[in-house]
Amino acid sequence: TQLLEQSPQFLSIQEGENLTVYCNSSSVFSSLQWYRQEPGEGPVLLVTVVTGGEVKKLKRLTFQFGDARKDSSLHITAAQPGDTGLYLCAGAPGGFKTIFGAGTRLFVKA
Amino acid sequence: NAGVTQTPKFQVLKTGQSMTLQCAQDMNHEYMSWYRQDPGMGLRLIHYSVGAGITDQGEVPNGYNVSRSTTEDFPLRLLSAAPSQTSVYFCASSSPGLLNTEAFFGQGTRLTVV
Repeated sequence: TQLLEQSPQFLSIQEGENLTVYCNSSSVFSSLQWYRQEPGEGPVLLVTVVTGGEVKKLKRLTFQFGDARKDSSLHITAAQPGDTGLYLCAGAPGGFKTIFGAGTRLFVKA
Repeated sequence: NAGVTQTPKFQVLKTGQSMTLQCAQDMNHEYMSWYRQDPGMGLRLIHYSVGAGITDQGEVPNGYNVSRSTTEDFPLRLLSAAPSQTSVYFCASSSPGLLNTEAFFGQGTRLTVV
């Protein structure tokens, strides 16, 4: 059972377009993390959201945590080929066991 | 600054063979975890440790053993490899606190069992 559902699974867009990917759950999380993974590498942490309704910006990336702390979104403005990768959300619904969503694979064409 | 180091990077095993995947971190992190990553399934937790001498099972522990004798090292042992264990394995470490899920990952070990 996947407690963190990510959508879409795959996204292919042109450079300059905007996009949003989603991470949803029926469970409440004290925090959620977003990671980006490139081929042949381990995931790298982008951001952690902690407070319900929180919005964090990282250059062209905007992360939002839902008011009920059950969902999160990642919006990329004016995507660039360097944004290509697998985007993963993660959280620990209780204790120390961190779970990951299946990821959104993004491909940005030049 | 090495961070989390995994060895080997690639490995091919025959069914029934055993081996140990090595993981070492130099950040003095108390928490360490092992994940496997399969297409379309994200990362699934195999085993984790909250400190030296303490380990616990994750979502998919069957067929794997771990030990944590030091803070730095967290090896993963495959007792009798099966083709279903073909996967990419990642080790991660993090420090305790409110945001203990902020993990640092190694580069992974790509394992093929034939």
